[in-house]
Amino acid sequence: AQSVTQLDSQVPVFEEAPVELRCNYSSSVSVYLFWYVQYPNQGLQLLLKYLSGSTLVKGINGFEAEFNKSQTSFHLRKPSVHISDTAEYFCAVSVLNTDKLIFGTGTRLQVFP
Amino acid sequence: DGGITQSPKYLFRKEGQNVTLSCEQNLNHDAMYWYRQDPGQGLRLIYYSQIVNDFQKGDIAEGYSVSREKKESFPLTVTSAQKNPTAFYLCASSDGTGGSTEAFFGQGTRLTVV
Repeated sequence: AQSVTQLDSQVPVFEEAPVELRCNYSSSVSVYLFWYVQYPNQGLQLLLKYLSGSTLVKGINGFEAEFNKSQTSFHLRKPSVHISDTAEYFCAVSVLNTDKLIFGTGTRLQVFP
Repeated sequence: DGGITQSPKYLFRKEGQNVTLSCEQNLNHDAMYWYRQDPGQGLRLIYYSQIVNDFQKGDIAEGYSVSREKKESFPLTVTSAQKNPTAFYLCASSDGTGGSTEAFFGQGTRLTVV
């Protein structure tokens, strides 16, 4: 079975500061990795994904994530956050050659002026 | 406009009643999903379907049922057997290429049992 752990339920940060949202996963088989963002009362939208190749992945809105196979992690980072980045962020895994998509519990990013 | 439509946006149900949540997509996607979202618990997979007339249970399928008679439609029925149905329900779809592509989400249905 697969699981996704997001270690921080809430991350408060001041505007223009850097941020890292942590994600660890567990799987006995190879997976694809994703980060999604959810604004209040909305569905989710894709920020970025890792399928293969370079372990540093760049996404939309200035976000990036690094895949670390040995630590089974896929942490999301942004060097300078904006107020508009306030949202809930979800890490997800998809098992190779299936369509099963599993999400973590989410991290609420709160950006203060 | 291509996308996923969930209806209704808000739904109230009396205890003991079954209720069906609608999910329609015009993206020509093969795979469709239902998730339940509760505060602090993230998205939990209820059911998913990789192809018409086939679906698999997710992690919390008890008390729910689905059908996939048409490619564009994946309705979810919350039965009276579901002990705690009040939640935000999200439907999603993807093009079903073995899990490597983006899932697109609807705007959700908030179900409240009264």
